[in-house]
Amino acid sequence: QSALTQPASVSGSPGQSITISCTGTSSDVGGYNYVSWYQQHPGKAPKLVIYDVTNRPSGVSNRFSGSKSGTTASLTISGLQGEDEADYYCSSYKSGGTYVFGTGTKVAVL
Amino acid sequence: QMQLVESGGGVVQPGRSLRLSCAASGFSFNTFGMHWVRQAPGQGLEWVAVTSSNGVAKFYADSVKGRFIISRDNSENTLYLQMDSLRGEDTAVYYCAKERGDFTGFDSWGQGTLVTVSS
Repeated sequence: QSALTQPASVSGSPGQSITISCTGTSSDVGGYNYVSWYQQHPGKAPKLVIYDVTNRPSGVSNRFSGSKSGTTASLTISGLQGEDEADYYCSSYKSGGTYVFGTGTKVAVL
Repeated sequence: QMQLVESGGGVVQPGRSLRLSCAASGFSFNTFGMHWVRQAPGQGLEWVAVTSSNGVAKFYADSVKGRFIISRDNSENTLYLQMDSLRGEDTAVYYCAKERGDFTGFDSWGQGTLVTVSS
């Protein structure tokens, strides 16, 4: 099961917007609207920030938004803040009942 | 408040077995699918296994299929992962995670338990 492809790192200045891509195949990202995104700070458990491609769980800042086109999903963080500095992972349901995570992206706030 | 607490990690020799547990509270455990996700030191997240709410349907990552068994006891609100024939590449922090709904992401995670496979 190959991991979804994400850029290794993305950076931005406070207040800017950044976008993280997540590329899969027609068997996962392209085949289902079941892409989710997770934020992970060092030494902590992951936290769900987007589910079902575009939906935000209660309590997650509206600065986080998600989208999808074909086999690529994207997470956009607007109004970048220092607390957004973390690792971000996408995940997708995959045909056959399994799931797959992305390779992970380290976000740096300059 | 949903809470998941893993236990059972430790140091184990290659080829041996280990069983992880995940105690759930704060939600109706028997109505949600449950997953195991692992993270090797300094590496990314890897999905391991899922069990349906009633424990009937189970699916595994290719990397653990035939060696790991996921199970649950809904009367005890506990999730398990039986890990046999352990290898060095199984060394990781193992997280249990609650499904938000069918296929829709993992909305609650435990703190993780470290499994180290080494002679």
